[in-house]
Amino acid sequence: ETGVTQTPRHLVMGMTNKKSLKCEQHLGHNAMYWYKQSAKKPLELMFVYNFKEQTENNSVPSRFSPECPNSSHLFLHLHTLQPEDSALYLCASSFEGTSGGVAQYFGPGTRLLVL
Amino acid sequence: GNSVTQMEGPVTLSEEAFLTINCTYTATGYPSLFWYVQYPGEGLQLLLKATKADDKGSNKGFEATYRKETTSFHLEKGSVQVSDSAVYFCALLRGYSGGGADGLTFGKGTHLIIQP
Repeated sequence: ETGVTQTPRHLVMGMTNKKSLKCEQHLGHNAMYWYKQSAKKPLELMFVYNFKEQTENNSVPSRFSPECPNSSHLFLHLHTLQPEDSALYLCASSFEGTSGGVAQYFGPGTRLLVL
Repeated sequence: GNSVTQMEGPVTLSEEAFLTINCTYTATGYPSLFWYVQYPGEGLQLLLKATKADDKGSNKGFEATYRKETTSFHLEKGSVQVSDSAVYFCALLRGYSGGGADGLTFGKGTHLIIQP
């Protein structure tokens, strides 16, 4: 299924680099999310965007900067990262209406390695 | 706060065996519950969900029943195949509050290995 796409799929960057991760959803959803998946740790929510407005920042360091220009696109801008930021970064989307229990649909992720 | 606990594994079974992966949760109110599956090198795929007590979610031969009295959502399959080898995640979404989108709370994932 390719309802949620992410680019690049793999990224290697130095600690002084600036890079951006891109996510696009083709499902007509109105909410988008960034999650971080590290080895040996549960998936961690990073950011939530609802109708392009950021509604949650889960105590994420400022070296991660999200951007949501419209309900179909989500970016994660990276700068001066640390080696411990190496992880799989997953984007997800959902359609939020007037009832709960809505499933989130995930992209394939970007595997990030910080040297 | 909300939390999800599941067996981490790896869980190794022979093909055609019966599968149970336990999942229990802690949450206030009435959360929705999900199982996601992750194949190597891929993102998470929604496997099934249940939104209220006693609901049974099912898909591709997998089933899970939302048990509020035991705060559990165990995943079962009657006869597993080699292609079911993957990591399975139990997750919850807190009860609807009218506040819009909310993040999922995940367990640590259970690595399932099915041998021919």
